[in-house]
Amino acid sequence: DAGVTQSPTHLIKTRGQHVTLRCSPISGHKSVSWYQQVLGQGPQFIFQYYEKEERGRGNFPDRFSARQFPNYSSELNVNALLLGDSALYLCASSDRSLGETQYFGPGTRLLVL
Amino acid sequence: AQSVTQLGSHVSVSEGALVLLRCNYSSSVPPYLFWYVQYPNQGLQLLLKYTTGATLVKGINGFEAEFKKSETSFHLTKPSAHMSDAAEYFCAVTYLSGGYQKVTFGTGTKLQVIP
Repeated sequence: DAGVTQSPTHLIKTRGQHVTLRCSPISGHKSVSWYQQVLGQGPQFIFQYYEKEERGRGNFPDRFSARQFPNYSSELNVNALLLGDSALYLCASSDRSLGETQYFGPGTRLLVL
Repeated sequence: AQSVTQLGSHVSVSEGALVLLRCNYSSSVPPYLFWYVQYPNQGLQLLLKYTTGATLVKGINGFEAEFKKSETSFHLTKPSAHMSDAAEYFCAVTYLSGGYQKVTFGTGTKLQVIP
């Protein structure tokens, strides 16, 4: 089985732009979570979606939004990019919700100039 | 808010020596606890997790951790370090708050293994 896949792998944007990051979970997994990992820090939880509904939210501004599609893939959208949004964005999937093992993708590295 | 504290951002051990990475958490509700490893330019890989039941948890690559509720700790150990263990390790706690799942990671500990 393929693991969690994310696209693109790298991305360069300028301040004020909008970005969409994509994630495909492991086949059969219905939960997708998004994390932001700034260089030198631990991942920060952004969102969790389970069965297409938002089930978890971290402390991020409304510029960050996400959705999950019927095939359980997910998009993370970030509007009005700031320099501080530069980070590795990680997607993780699991077959259920709280407490289940999460499988992480390789991440999308976003650089905002 | 729940928090996770990892003592020591960098830990160095000699090959063959005991590995001890410390993690303390604060949680007012029963937490689920995890240890992940991250190699350079890669995503995170689960080492082990504690949800319920036995407090001594065994994971992959010879790692284990013990949940100590009285000490609010979940330290990661390995009896004998290998060169391949050099990586960054993250402790994380997951819990429910207001019907929503919350996840908090520690700031990570970089493990260096000296030959």
